[in-house]
Amino acid sequence: AAGVIQSPRHLIKEKRETATLKCYPIPRHDTVYWYQQGPGQDPQFLISFYEKMQSDKGSIPDRFSAQQFSDYHSELNMSSLELGDSALYFCASSLNPPRGSYEQYFGPGTRLTVT
Amino acid sequence: RKEVEQDPGPFNVPEGATVAFNCTYSNSASQSFFWYRQDCRKEPKLLMSVYSSGNEDGRFTAQLNRASQYISLLIRDSKLSDSATYLCVVSSRDLDTGRRALTFGSGTRLQVQP
Repeated sequence: AAGVIQSPRHLIKEKRETATLKCYPIPRHDTVYWYQQGPGQDPQFLISFYEKMQSDKGSIPDRFSAQQFSDYHSELNMSSLELGDSALYFCASSLNPPRGSYEQYFGPGTRLTVT
Repeated sequence: RKEVEQDPGPFNVPEGATVAFNCTYSNSASQSFFWYRQDCRKEPKLLMSVYSSGNEDGRFTAQLNRASQYISLLIRDSKLSDSATYLCVVSSRDLDTGRRALTFGSGTRLQVQP
């Protein structure tokens, strides 16, 4: 079965640079979520989109923005990168009720290293 | 106090053992509950949803106690491949903002030894 696809898998950037992470959800899933997981931390929710509209916002810094496109893929844009942004960034997707459940399926993640 | 709390472990058990993890959550309005497993530097993988009636999937049994606000996961006949971090995950909708959030526990490490 098709899974969530994320690209790139690894990214190295310098401080103050920008980065764009991409996510392709499982086909027919209507909701996309972004999470940040720092070393030794549990995943922290950043933002989500339902049917291409932003639905929920978590601890996403103002330097970050995200959107979901007409083909349902999503991009997380990160500007003025800081050393503390180094983390694993996961995208997850779900098909929400009434057509599905709230079960979220995660992509393999993008490992961002800021130097 | 974290919204979802788990014993971090590690739990070191021999192959074939039965091991149980507990998780407590503080938001009584929580609606959906899940167990995920996460291998080192990999993505969380959904293990099972947790229902009030309890559910079983092979060697894995999950239970939910809404009154006491805790969730459990029982693994029978442990295999070496069960070694991972098990994340308790709770989905809640904030009554004030309407925001739906998935909150992760910090995970319980399991190490199954030969």
